[in-house]
Amino acid sequence: EPEVTQTPSHQVTQMGQEVILRCVPISNHLYFYWYRQILGQKVEFLVSFYNNEISEKSEIFDDQFSVERPDGSNFTLKIRSTKLEDSAMYFCASSGGARYTEKGYTFGSGTRLTVV
Amino acid sequence: ELKVEQNPLFLSMQEGKNYTIYCNYSTTSDRLYWYRQDPGKSLESLFVLLSNGAVKQEGRLMASLDTKARLSTLHITAAVHDLSATYFCAVDRNTGNQFYFGTGTSLTVIP
Repeated sequence: EPEVTQTPSHQVTQMGQEVILRCVPISNHLYFYWYRQILGQKVEFLVSFYNNEISEKSEIFDDQFSVERPDGSNFTLKIRSTKLEDSAMYFCASSGGARYTEKGYTFGSGTRLTVV
Repeated sequence: ELKVEQNPLFLSMQEGKNYTIYCNYSTTSDRLYWYRQDPGKSLESLFVLLSNGAVKQEGRLMASLDTKARLSTLHITAAVHDLSATYFCAVDRNTGNQFYFGTGTSLTVIP
């Protein structure tokens, strides 16, 4: 079954540093998403991306965050200057359609970001 | 603010027993999703419920949706240890395509 691949699986960074989290969505999917989950808490939406632009973003997704699809396969999330509260599991997801998807999104295995 | 609430938050049940997890949401939505998450792992799609009255079953799990009551249930029949995980429901509004996740229900099945 097709998978969403995320790298790295775990990243430790110092506060104030920039990090880039990488995702390879399923190849024929058109919609891409980033979500995060602070340890032990619920999953929160960050941003959705379609047709090379952001289609929706949450209040969490402030100027410190950006997304990019630099080539035909990768989808990245950049955090410019990390804060301690950015420590979380970050999930990439993709879907074939905007709303109707038979199986919902397909989530990647996640990147655990630890800011120290 | 859109709210998605699950109860219970924690559930410990014996093998062989039945139980129901409830998911209430505060927005108009005709789609509801159930996901399973094992510790430290990703989210696995279990069910997609696309209309009022939808019912889906897979193995020992059955999910239903009542859009008028804004309620979904996940029923567990004759629980086994392998079902131990955290279960999340999620909705999307009828406009937009982001998911709003519930608080999660941590299920532990005891032998």
